[in-house]
Amino acid sequence: EDQVTQSPEALRLQEGESSSLNCSYTVSGLRGLFWYRQDPGKGPEFLFTLYSAGEEKEKERLKATLTKKESFLHITAPKPEDSATYLCAVGVFGNEKLTFGTGTRLTIIP
Amino acid sequence: GAGVSQSPSNKVTEKGKDVELRCDPISGHTALYWYRQSLGQGLEFLIYFQGNSAPDKSGLPSDRFSAERTGGSVSTLTIQRTQQEDSAVYLCASSLDRWMGANQPQHFGDGTRLSIL
Repeated sequence: EDQVTQSPEALRLQEGESSSLNCSYTVSGLRGLFWYRQDPGKGPEFLFTLYSAGEEKEKERLKATLTKKESFLHITAPKPEDSATYLCAVGVFGNEKLTFGTGTRLTIIP
Repeated sequence: GAGVSQSPSNKVTEKGKDVELRCDPISGHTALYWYRQSLGQGLEFLIYFQGNSAPDKSGLPSDRFSAERTGGSVSTLTIQRTQQEDSAVYLCASSLDRWMGANQPQHFGDGTRLSIL
């Protein structure tokens, strides 16, 4: 069974304090790993797709990386507006659905 | 519209009643998905549509749950004889094509928050 585990569950950072969020996965045939951002009361907002080990994607203060067992979402010099829950999801070959982790709730303190 | 639209945004109903949740996908998106998000849990896949067909219904939790899609666009998720454990946020997503081939990400609506009293 495909599994996705995110850590930590919650993270509080001072504004400007860089850190990383972890997504560990166990799947039978990874087709893609997806990162989403979710604000309270809203649906997930797509950030990145990663397909193969060694791949990296960047967007503003966020950079996502992928290995054969895990993905990291690095946040550099975060701002309060980066506060949200970050979700990781995997898709596998032969299957249309995404399997999600439970997310990391990130709080950036001014 | 510019994004996935879901209605109603909130629904409160009594146990045992039937409910219908609606999803309007992004125009031109052929794939449509329903997920459920319960407090403290990850998003749980329910069903996938390609056009009007549902090749994967594996996530529907019981035969009280059903969904249809018409005209390759709007989808309705119906829950019959609601139970308290059905309380959750029901999210709809759409994508341009079967992502296995086109690698298109799923774009989500803001969901319907369903509360069963």
